[in-house]
Amino acid sequence: EAGVAQSPRYKIIEKRQSVAFWCNPISGHATLYWYQQILGQGPKLLIQFQNNGVVDDSQLPKDRFSAERLKGVDSTLKIQPAKLEDSAVYLCASSLASGGNTIYFGEGSWLTVV
Amino acid sequence: GENVEQHPSTLSVQEGDSAVIKCTYSDSASNYFPWYKQELGKGPQLIIDIRSNVGEKKDQRIAVTLNKTAKHFSLHITETQPEDSAVYFCAASGVPASKLTFGTGTRLQVTL
Repeated sequence: EAGVAQSPRYKIIEKRQSVAFWCNPISGHATLYWYQQILGQGPKLLIQFQNNGVVDDSQLPKDRFSAERLKGVDSTLKIQPAKLEDSAVYLCASSLASGGNTIYFGEGSWLTVV
Repeated sequence: GENVEQHPSTLSVQEGDSAVIKCTYSDSASNYFPWYKQELGKGPQLIIDIRSNVGEKKDQRIAVTLNKTAKHFSLHITETQPEDSAVYFCAASGVPASKLTFGTGTRLQVTL
Protein backbone atom coordinates (compact mmCIF):
# COMPACT_ATOMS: atom_id res chain seq x y z
CA GLU A 1 0.00 0.00 0.00
CA ALA A 2 1.43 3.37 -1.00
CA GLY A 3 2.04 5.85 1.80
CA VAL A 4 1.41 9.57 2.03
CA ALA A 5 3.23 11.32 -0.81
CA GLN A 6 4.61 14.83 -0.52
CA SER A 7 6.51 17.19 -2.80
CA PRO A 8 8.83 18.92 -3.03
CA ARG A 9 11.04 17.34 -0.38
CA TYR A 10 13.25 20.40 -0.04
CA LYS A 11 12.75 24.07 -0.80
CA ILE A 12 14.85 27.16 -0.11
CA ILE A 13 13.25 30.56 -0.67
CA GLU A 14 13.90 34.15 0.30
CA LYS A 15 11.67 35.88 2.83
CA ARG A 16 8.57 37.48 1.32
CA GLN A 17 8.53 34.90 -1.50
CA SER A 18 5.81 32.30 -1.85
CA VAL A 19 5.93 28.50 -1.76
CA ALA A 20 3.46 25.67 -2.24
CA PHE A 21 3.56 22.10 -0.99
CA TRP A 22 1.56 19.22 -2.38
CA CYS A 23 0.23 16.12 -0.65
CA ASN A 24 -1.45 12.94 -1.84
CA PRO A 25 -2.88 10.91 1.07
CA ILE A 26 -3.22 7.15 1.38
CA SER A 27 -5.94 5.90 -0.93
CA GLY A 28 -9.34 5.89 0.77
CA HIS A 29 -8.31 8.17 3.64
CA ALA A 30 -10.91 10.89 4.00
CA THR A 31 -9.10 12.88 6.69
CA LEU A 32 -6.00 14.87 5.77
CA TYR A 33 -3.78 16.92 8.05
CA TRP A 34 -0.98 19.44 7.62
CA TYR A 35 1.47 19.71 10.50
CA GLN A 36 4.36 22.10 11.00
CA GLN A 37 7.46 20.74 12.74
CA ILE A 38 10.08 23.27 13.78
CA LEU A 39 13.53 21.82 14.42
CA GLY A 40 13.73 20.22 17.85
CA GLN A 41 9.98 20.31 18.48
CA GLY A 42 7.01 18.03 18.03
CA PRO A 43 4.67 18.46 15.08
CA LYS A 44 1.94 21.09 15.48
CA LEU A 45 -1.36 20.85 13.61
CA LEU A 46 -2.00 23.61 11.09
CA ILE A 47 -5.17 22.37 9.42
CA GLN A 48 -7.38 19.27 9.26
CA PHE A 49 -9.67 18.35 6.37
CA GLN A 50 -12.51 15.85 6.34
CA ASN A 51 -13.00 15.09 2.63
CA ASN A 52 -12.84 18.60 1.15
CA GLY A 53 -14.17 20.43 4.20
CA VAL A 54 -12.08 22.11 6.91
CA VAL A 55 -12.53 20.58 10.38
CA ASP A 56 -9.91 22.58 12.30
CA ASP A 57 -7.74 25.47 11.16
CA SER A 58 -7.47 27.23 14.50
CA GLN A 59 -3.66 27.23 14.45
CA LEU A 60 -3.21 28.20 10.80
CA PRO A 61 -1.75 31.74 10.40
CA LYS A 62 -4.39 32.76 7.92
CA ASP A 63 -2.73 36.04 6.99
CA ARG A 64 0.01 34.11 5.18
CA PHE A 65 -0.94 30.43 5.07
CA SER A 66 -3.69 28.85 3.00
CA ALA A 67 -4.64 25.27 2.21
CA GLU A 68 -7.14 23.57 -0.01
CA ARG A 69 -8.38 20.10 -0.81
CA LEU A 70 -10.68 20.72 -3.71
CA LYS A 71 -11.68 17.18 -4.75
CA GLY A 72 -11.33 15.53 -1.37
CA VAL A 73 -8.07 13.78 -2.29
CA ASP A 74 -4.90 15.82 -2.95
CA SER A 75 -4.12 18.93 -0.95
CA THR A 76 -1.94 21.99 -1.35
CA LEU A 77 -0.49 24.17 1.41
CA LYS A 78 0.67 27.64 0.40
CA ILE A 79 2.71 30.23 2.25
CA GLN A 80 2.73 33.82 0.99
CA PRO A 81 4.68 35.85 1.94
CA ALA A 82 7.13 33.63 3.79
CA LYS A 83 8.89 34.74 6.96
CA LEU A 84 12.14 33.48 8.46
CA GLU A 85 10.20 31.77 11.27
CA ASP A 86 8.35 29.64 8.71
CA SER A 87 11.51 27.54 8.28
CA ALA A 88 10.32 24.08 9.29
CA VAL A 89 9.29 20.69 8.01
CA TYR A 90 5.72 20.60 6.71
CA LEU A 91 4.23 17.17 7.30
CA CYS A 92 1.15 15.88 5.58
CA ALA A 93 -0.75 13.03 7.23
CA SER A 94 -3.95 11.10 6.62
CA SER A 95 -6.35 8.77 8.38
CA LEU A 96 -9.60 6.93 7.73
CA ALA A 97 -12.61 9.08 8.46
CA SER A 98 -14.33 6.49 10.59
CA GLY A 99 -13.16 3.72 12.84
CA GLY A 100 -9.68 4.09 14.26
CA ASN A 101 -7.57 7.17 14.82
CA THR A 102 -4.35 5.87 13.30
CA ILE A 103 -2.66 8.77 11.53
CA TYR A 104 0.01 8.10 8.94
CA PHE A 105 2.62 10.71 8.04
CA GLY A 106 4.47 11.49 4.86
CA GLU A 107 8.22 12.14 4.71
CA GLY A 108 7.71 15.89 4.93
CA SER A 109 8.67 18.96 2.92
CA TRP A 110 11.67 20.81 4.33
CA LEU A 111 11.42 24.59 3.98
CA THR A 112 14.28 26.99 4.60
CA VAL A 113 13.50 30.72 4.41
CA VAL A 114 16.59 32.92 4.06
CA GLY B 1 -6.70 22.55 24.69
CA GLU B 2 -4.63 19.46 25.25
CA ASN B 3 -1.08 19.79 26.57
CA VAL B 4 1.37 16.88 26.47
CA GLU B 5 4.63 16.86 28.42
CA GLN B 6 7.37 14.34 27.65
CA HIS B 7 10.47 13.30 29.60
CA PRO B 8 13.36 12.89 29.30
CA SER B 9 14.41 15.02 26.34
CA THR B 10 17.48 12.85 25.75
CA LEU B 11 18.19 9.29 26.78
CA SER B 12 21.33 7.26 26.27
CA VAL B 13 21.37 3.52 26.96
CA GLN B 14 23.70 0.68 26.20
CA GLU B 15 22.67 -1.95 23.71
CA GLY B 16 20.57 -4.59 25.39
CA ASP B 17 19.36 -2.32 28.17
CA SER B 18 15.78 -1.07 28.52
CA ALA B 19 14.56 2.45 27.79
CA VAL B 20 11.55 4.18 29.30
CA ILE B 21 9.97 7.40 28.08
CA LYS B 22 7.16 9.07 30.02
CA CYS B 23 4.38 11.45 29.02
CA THR B 24 1.61 13.26 30.84
CA TYR B 25 -1.49 14.82 29.32
CA SER B 26 -3.90 17.44 30.56
CA ASP B 27 -7.27 16.72 28.90
CA SER B 28 -9.14 13.93 30.68
CA ALA B 29 -11.29 13.50 27.54
CA SER B 30 -8.29 12.29 25.51
CA ASN B 31 -8.62 8.60 24.77
CA TYR B 32 -6.06 7.71 22.11
CA PHE B 33 -2.30 7.71 22.76
CA PRO B 34 0.09 6.83 19.92
CA TRP B 35 3.87 6.75 19.93
CA TYR B 36 5.87 7.74 16.89
CA LYS B 37 9.49 7.14 15.95
CA GLN B 38 11.17 9.72 13.77
CA GLU B 39 14.50 9.08 12.10
CA LEU B 40 16.61 11.87 10.68
CA GLY B 41 15.11 13.28 7.50
CA LYS B 42 11.95 11.18 7.70
CA GLY B 43 8.40 11.63 8.80
CA PRO B 44 7.09 10.21 12.10
CA GLN B 45 6.29 6.50 11.96
CA LEU B 46 3.68 4.96 14.23
CA ILE B 47 5.24 2.23 16.38
CA ILE B 48 2.49 1.48 18.88
CA ASP B 49 -0.69 3.01 20.20
CA ILE B 50 -3.10 2.50 23.08
CA ARG B 51 -6.70 3.46 23.69
CA SER B 52 -8.18 4.50 26.99
CA ASN B 53 -10.05 1.26 27.56
CA VAL B 54 -6.74 -0.63 27.74
CA GLY B 55 -4.09 -0.34 30.44
CA GLU B 56 -1.19 -1.98 28.65
CA LYS B 57 -0.25 -3.11 25.17
CA LYS B 58 2.80 -4.98 23.97
CA ASP B 59 4.32 -5.61 20.55
CA GLN B 60 7.53 -7.65 20.65
CA ARG B 61 10.15 -5.45 22.35
CA ILE B 62 7.87 -2.44 22.67
CA ALA B 63 5.18 -1.88 25.29
CA VAL B 64 3.01 1.04 26.30
CA THR B 65 1.23 1.54 29.62
CA LEU B 66 -1.57 3.98 30.40
CA ASN B 67 -2.72 5.31 33.76
CA LYS B 68 -5.92 7.28 33.12
CA THR B 69 -6.32 8.36 36.73
CA ALA B 70 -2.89 9.97 36.80
CA LYS B 71 -3.13 11.00 33.14
CA HIS B 72 0.21 9.58 32.16
CA PHE B 73 1.46 6.96 29.74
CA SER B 74 4.85 5.43 29.08
CA LEU B 75 6.81 3.72 26.33
CA HIS B 76 9.03 0.80 27.26
CA ILE B 77 11.63 -0.60 24.87
CA THR B 78 13.43 -3.75 26.00
CA GLU B 79 16.64 -5.26 24.63
CA THR B 80 17.49 -2.05 22.83
CA GLN B 81 19.40 -2.20 19.55
CA PRO B 82 21.38 0.48 17.67
CA GLU B 83 18.55 0.77 15.14
CA ASP B 84 16.27 1.95 17.94
CA SER B 85 18.25 5.22 17.98
CA ALA B 86 15.85 7.96 16.89
CA VAL B 87 13.55 10.67 18.26
CA TYR B 88 10.40 9.34 19.87
CA PHE B 89 7.21 11.38 20.23
CA CYS B 90 4.17 10.66 22.33
CA ALA B 91 0.81 12.17 21.42
CA ALA B 92 -2.77 12.36 22.65
CA SER B 93 -6.12 12.90 20.99
CA GLY B 94 -9.86 12.28 21.27
CA VAL B 95 -12.09 10.38 18.83
CA PRO B 96 -12.81 10.04 16.00
CA ALA B 97 -9.84 11.14 13.88
CA SER B 98 -9.21 14.21 15.97
CA LYS B 99 -6.00 16.18 15.94
CA LEU B 100 -2.98 14.80 17.72
CA THR B 101 -1.17 16.94 20.27
CA PHE B 102 2.46 15.90 20.42
CA GLY B 103 5.02 15.92 23.17
CA THR B 104 8.36 17.62 22.69
CA GLY B 105 10.22 14.43 21.80
CA THR B 106 12.91 12.21 23.32
CA ARG B 107 16.17 11.63 21.51
CA LEU B 108 17.16 8.02 22.24
CA GLN B 109 20.72 6.95 21.60
CA VAL B 110 21.64 3.28 21.89
CA THR B 111 25.38 2.80 22.25
CA LEU B 112 27.36 -0.36 21.59
